Amino acid sequence: DAKTTQPNSMESNEEEPVHLPCNHSTISGTDYIHWYRQLPSQGPEYVIHGLTSNVNNRMASLAIAEDRKSSTLILHRATLRDAAVYYCILTRNNNDMRFGAGTRLTVKP
Amino acid sequence: DTEVTQTPKHLVMGMTNKKSLKCEQHMGHRAMYWYKQKAKKPPELMFVYSYEKLSINESVPSRFSPECPNSSLLNLHLHALQPEDSALYLCASSPQVGVNTEAFFGQGTRLTVV
Repeated sequence: DAKTTQPNSMESNEEEPVHLPCNHSTISGTDYIHWYRQLPSQGPEYVIHGLTSNVNNRMASLAIAEDRKSSTLILHRATLRDAAVYYCILTRNNNDMRFGAGTRLTVKP
Repeated sequence: DTEVTQTPKHLVMGMTNKKSLKCEQHMGHRAMYWYKQKAKKPPELMFVYSYEKLSINESVPSRFSPECPNSSLLNLHLHALQPEDSALYLCASSPQVGVNTEAFFGQGTRLTVV
């Protein structure tokens, strides 16, 4: 299975953009890149997903490198409510959603 | 209704007890998942059901027995658990295996084995 590598933790200031990186150098052509986040004491929450092209939704943007070996989740204006563990997951068709260690994001007021 | 509902929220059980965790969704999803999450660790995939049939078992010990009686309901039967099985058990659903889209997670059942 292709693996993902993320920094253990990151800090951001409130109302500033946050770029959360994910490396997936062994990604295969059929792997989609999904991002989930888990707020304290809650189940994971879907953020965004993509295959090759950059994606935007109301929560975030996903920038995917041209060679697909890395991707970046972009939160355009971090709020205190965005403090969570962010997981980058590779999955083929939602059959095998296995979480990596994730990045713990701290947002400072 | 975009909710995955898990009951109970908390469960304490002895090592000789038999108990069940329940997960329900009414979004018409045909893929359902069980995960186990230990403190400060990521969720670990346990089982995947697709159209009410078990499609993935991540070599989970037989003291955990999943069941999918219908398309809305997923159970996890527990028997003879060990204290190290204490964890947050998360259920998730997605429209179907084979389609890349968002999965919805429940809030989990926090299990303590004494």
